[in-house]
Amino acid sequence: GIQVEQSPPDLILQEGANSTLRCNFSDSVNNLQWFHQNPWGQLINLFYIPSGTKQNGRLSATTVATERYSLLYISSSQTTDSGVYFCAVGDDKIIFGKGTRLHILP
Amino acid sequence: ETGVTQSPTHLIKTRGQQVTLRCSSQSGHNTVSWYQQALGQGPQFIFQYYREEENGRGNFPPRFSGLQFPNYSSELNVNALELDDSALYLCASSIGQGDEQYFGPGTRLTVT
Repeated sequence: GIQVEQSPPDLILQEGANSTLRCNFSDSVNNLQWFHQNPWGQLINLFYIPSGTKQNGRLSATTVATERYSLLYISSSQTTDSGVYFCAVGDDKIIFGKGTRLHILP
Repeated sequence: ETGVTQSPTHLIKTRGQQVTLRCSSQSGHNTVSWYQQALGQGPQFIFQYYREEENGRGNFPPRFSGLQFPNYSSELNVNALELDDSALYLCASSIGQGDEQYFGPGTRLTVT
């Protein structure tokens, strides 16, 4: 099956810093999503991005499907950005990575 | 537009018991997927239902079963509960297979 690897596993940054989270996947996929999981467990949709680049405010994402990776960029980090970021790929069987735990310090 | 809802929010069961978790899809969505998320881990895919038929399953034993109803709401049933079944159970709906998924708030199951 498809393997999904996220890096780094943990990231600690000062408020205002920028960050890049990476998601590598082992096989071609028709869809890829990025989520932010808040402290209460709710998975919040960030991007549905099988390919190309999208931006939403301070967040943007790029998926290069031919090279099997996706990047999530967070600019001007805020403490509310803290939490775990997951990427997930697949059609009839959706595989999540293990996530990147982001800590933004005030 | 109503989002994905799940019930109950919390549940405590004893080993060996059976449990049913419920999920209501977002309006217009006919695909439902269930996930198990253990503490500190990423969600693990259990199975997916499309128009009342199971059309994808992860590495979970048969004691994990499900249903999807004509209104596209869904149930997850777990028989013979084990301590390792303690986890957050998440439901997601989408317009179709492979489309963007929207998650409910989850049900936190504790097995003692």
